[in-house]
Amino acid sequence: AQSVTQLDSQVPVFEEAPVELRCNYSSSVSVYLFWYVQYPNQGLQLLLKYLSGSTLVKGINGFEAEFNKSQTSFHLRKPSVHISDTAEYFCAVGDSGGYQKVTFGTGTKLQVIP
Amino acid sequence: KAGVTQTPRYLIKTRGQQVTLSCSPISGHRSVSWYQQTPGQGLQFLFEYFSETQRNKGNFPGRFSGRQFSNSRSEMNVSTLELGDSALYLCASSFVGYEQYFGPGTRLTVT
Repeated sequence: AQSVTQLDSQVPVFEEAPVELRCNYSSSVSVYLFWYVQYPNQGLQLLLKYLSGSTLVKGINGFEAEFNKSQTSFHLRKPSVHISDTAEYFCAVGDSGGYQKVTFGTGTKLQVIP
Repeated sequence: KAGVTQTPRYLIKTRGQQVTLSCSPISGHRSVSWYQQTPGQGLQFLFEYFSETQRNKGNFPGRFSGRQFSNSRSEMNVSTLELGDSALYLCASSFVGYEQYFGPGTRLTVT
């Protein structure tokens, strides 16, 4: 079984400041990792993904994440946030075998303060 | 390519009624997953269909069911609605099952 833990339910940050949203996972097999963003009253949009290769993954809107296998983490970072980044962010893990089930974390609400 | 579409976008039903939600995946995608999202429980996996077969199932009662058609379109049905079924229902499609593309959701309100 796999699971995802997003340690922070809410993260307030001032505009133009850096931000890190934390994600830890557990799985008994190799994993694929994802970050999604959800704006109010919308569905989820894929920000970035790690399938294999380089552990530093760059996504849309200036976000990046680093896969750390030893710490089973996949933290999301952005060096300078904008008001438009205010949204809820979900980390997700999929196992590389079996029936390709994807498990989502509980989400982190990023509030950018002007 | 057109994105994932869900109909209707908003729905109001009464306790005890049943409801059917529809999802049209991105062209070429054969996997469709359904999720329930509520403020209290977050994003919960309902089920996944691939080539008309249910491949994965979450921990929901039998009142929640789904199906997938030969053109990959999917429907989910909730019978005997309860107040707690009020939620945003999200559909996601994917080509191989991992990288999911979400629709805008159907907001169901049960009164």
